[in-house]
Amino acid sequence: NAGVMQNPRHLVRRRGQEARLRCSPMKGHSHVYWYRQLPEEGLKFMVYLQKENIIDESGMPKERFSAEFPKEGPSILRIQQVVRGDSAAYFCASSQGGETQHFGDGTRLSIL
Amino acid sequence: QKEVEQDPGPLSVPEGAIVSLNCTYSNSAFQYFMWYRQYSRKGPELLMYTYSSGNKEDGRFTAQVDKSSKYISLFIRDSQPSDSATYLCAINNAGNMLTFGGGTRLMVKP
Repeated sequence: NAGVMQNPRHLVRRRGQEARLRCSPMKGHSHVYWYRQLPEEGLKFMVYLQKENIIDESGMPKERFSAEFPKEGPSILRIQQVVRGDSAAYFCASSQGGETQHFGDGTRLSIL
Repeated sequence: QKEVEQDPGPLSVPEGAIVSLNCTYSNSAFQYFMWYRQYSRKGPELLMYTYSSGNKEDGRFTAQVDKSSKYISLFIRDSQPSDSATYLCAINNAGNMLTFGGGTRLMVKP
């Protein structure tokens, strides 16, 4: 399967813990995007990265959230000191730099 | 006002019906228009992509864009139960972030 791979599919954390979500883009894609889908809401853009660079983080909460896309390995979305409001589905998409983005099946984060 | 508005439905139709899904948008700078299909517990799957006013057809699906009215549509002919899903319109203007509508839930009944 050469699609966008996200893991884990489901992640349970207690309040105050850290959550790490991983995304491997499609083969040949060097652009990665993270979106969040809250219950009963649409997908909201969070951050856009290329290898080793954050291009646009206008949708990222100012605190506790960070993202990286290192030269080697998957992109990581990191949420520190999670709170109940962080419970959501987090989707990663990738592209070759054009307008079309292809999505993974998401990580469903639950906060106890 | 949201940048992209979409009726949440649910929209329930009998098998074989023609389905019309619609979005309106407010920013005339938007240039690229996409429709995604999302099954429950899965990621959005790209169905159609267009950047100009007019129609684009792919099998049973037709995407229509009217930039003068800021209105986009997706038509599904001969709808099937397997078309039951949430349909998301998505728009961007710079190849970066996509702005999504809230999605319309479609149910096609056998």
